[in-house]
Amino acid sequence: EVQLVESGGGLVQPGRSLRLSCAASGFTFDDYAMHWVRQAPGKGLEWVSGISWNSGSIGYADSVKGRFTISRDNAKNSLYLQMNSLRAEDTALYYCATDKSHNYHFDLWGRGTLVTVSS
Amino acid sequence: QSALTQPPSASGSPGQSVTISCSGTSSDVGGYNYVSWYQQHPGKAPKLMIYEVTKRPSGVPDRFSASKSGNTASLTVSGLQPEDEADYYCSSHAGSHNVVFGGGTKLTVL
Repeated sequence: EVQLVESGGGLVQPGRSLRLSCAASGFTFDDYAMHWVRQAPGKGLEWVSGISWNSGSIGYADSVKGRFTISRDNAKNSLYLQMNSLRAEDTALYYCATDKSHNYHFDLWGRGTLVTVSS
Repeated sequence: QSALTQPPSASGSPGQSVTISCSGTSSDVGGYNYVSWYQQHPGKAPKLMIYEVTKRPSGVPDRFSASKSGNTASLTVSGLQPEDEADYYCSSHAGSHNVVFGGGTKLTVL
């Protein structure tokens, strides 16, 4: 079965760090670019970051640039998002998503992991 | 990286057609043929409905179609069905390995 499973979310204080993981299965992971997309409670979708199949191309939303780092381990079929200096406005459901054609559309989504930044 | 502009709401009766717009700039929608549309039902993950402006993934009904003119993309849902009631989001490549989403449109089937 083709699936993405996010983990690592939770409650964290402002200024602290958190690392999200996304485990992929059922497809050839290193054929795909991968992305993180978040959705604050009751709000719309916001693209966070993306990474090409070989980590050669990486992009970040302005809102997270300098604080978040995306990475992947193709040997482990896993995608990561290191989130530092967290702010209340980073509170959201974080989805990982595939991009098979490297054309910036998201074919398959996980169910998300919730990050809550609060003191 | 400004969000694309979508109407907050749209509606139509079963069987009718409705079109949702998505306005951007020459740096995103107008500059690339990498516009996509997503459907999201409450409590669910988004689902890809349209990619590369007009293409439908396997399994998406042909009632869903899309186009682009200049800096504005559009999604049309024909023959509205109750299950089409959902939030719809557009997105576009915005250069330098970046992506921008629209604010979303809540589609109500009356």
